[in-house]
Amino acid sequence: NAGVTQTPKFRILKIGQSMTLQCTQDMNHNYMYWYRQDPGMGLKLIYYSVGAGITDKGEVPNGYNVSRSTTEDFPLRLELAAPSQTSVYFCASSADRREQYFGPGTRLTVT
Amino acid sequence: AQSVAQPEDQVNVAEGNPLTVKCTYSVSGNPYLFWYVQYPNRGLQFLLKYITGDNLVKGSYGFEAEFNKSQTSFHLKKPSALVSDSALYFCAVRDMILAAGNKLTFGGGTRVLVKP
Repeated sequence: NAGVTQTPKFRILKIGQSMTLQCTQDMNHNYMYWYRQDPGMGLKLIYYSVGAGITDKGEVPNGYNVSRSTTEDFPLRLELAAPSQTSVYFCASSADRREQYFGPGTRLTVT
Repeated sequence: AQSVAQPEDQVNVAEGNPLTVKCTYSVSGNPYLFWYVQYPNRGLQFLLKYITGDNLVKGSYGFEAEFNKSQTSFHLKKPSALVSDSALYFCAVRDMILAAGNKLTFGGGTRVLVKP
């Protein structure tokens, strides 16, 4: 099992550009999550999904969008990048009431 | 609502000494509690969890945690710290009933520095 994989590992965006962060899991988990981690801070939930076709907002959803067309994939879309979105983004997945498994992260810089 | 507090930003300990990382939580119902570790430039790795049962939970790499319902705490412990334990540690909680989507709330993290 590869677990949770994320691409790209690093990305630099100019203000106003768009991009999609990819996340794939091979554990057949129903639940998937996107977090952001700012320097020296904890994790904040952006969006989550409880199954294919079902997504919901987390704590900090503004400026982001998600989709969940399959169990395996949960991409995060940034439409108009802003410097405030400079962060490290983590995708995670879990079975219900179980621990979450995290991907290695994507380090995004918006300049 | 659910919340987690890690009162110490950093814990310094000498190698071979006991290590404790503190965590307190607040939930409306019964908690699910988790500890994760993050090494530099890596994702979070699961260490251990408390769901129900024995208050002393054993996890990976020799870590354990004690659930104390009256003090609403879930402190992480290791009897003898290693230099390789130096990392960022996160406590997380989920309300057993009310947290839809298995959502976890994370504490702010505690940096552990183990000196040789």
